[in-house]
Amino acid sequence: NAGVTQTPKFQVLKTGQSMTLQCAQDMNHEYMSWYRQDPGMGLRLIHYSVGAGITDQGEVPNGYNVSRSTTEDFPLRLLSAAPSQTSVYFCASSTWGTDTQYFGPGTRLTVL
Amino acid sequence: QQQVKQSPQSLIVQKGGISIINCAYENTAFDYFPWYQQFPGKGPALLIAIRPDVSEKKEGRFTISFNKSAKQFSLHIMDSQPGDSATYFCAVHPNPIIQGAQKLVFGQGTRLTINP
Repeated sequence: NAGVTQTPKFQVLKTGQSMTLQCAQDMNHEYMSWYRQDPGMGLRLIHYSVGAGITDQGEVPNGYNVSRSTTEDFPLRLLSAAPSQTSVYFCASSTWGTDTQYFGPGTRLTVL
Repeated sequence: QQQVKQSPQSLIVQKGGISIINCAYENTAFDYFPWYQQFPGKGPALLIAIRPDVSEKKEGRFTISFNKSAKQFSLHIMDSQPGDSATYFCAVHPNPIIQGAQKLVFGQGTRLTINP
């Protein structure tokens, strides 16, 4: 199993550009989440999904969209990037009845 | 809202010493208290976790101490080694077996450095 994979590893955007961060997992996990990590602030939940077709907002959802058309994939879309979205983004997955989240390797995003 | 406060922000310990990281939480509805370990350039990984029905859990050199009345829990690393150098995050969650573990609330993180 590859676990949780994320692409790209690094990305530089200009203000106003759009892009999609990709996340995939091959563990057949129902739950998937997106977090952003900023210095001194830990990891903050952006959006999460409890299954295909079902998504909900986390603590910091503004400026981000998600969809979940399959169990495996959970892309995060930035419609109009802003410098405040410069961060490291982590995708995670977990399965019902367990208490462990499995994190991907992260995407480091810089918005100029 | 800051539901979990973690301290210290950074910590330097000599090899063989004891590393102690503390977390305090506000909401008594939390029912699950994990610690995640993150190495540079990697995603966090679960290290050890505790539920409030016990006051201490030990796995090898890692121990969680839990004080329900004070709403605090801490991570102790005994005989700290240079390979333990990483960033550590505490987290809180309502019972993940019932609600799923996808909505963890994390502390601010502690960068631990073990000097050889």
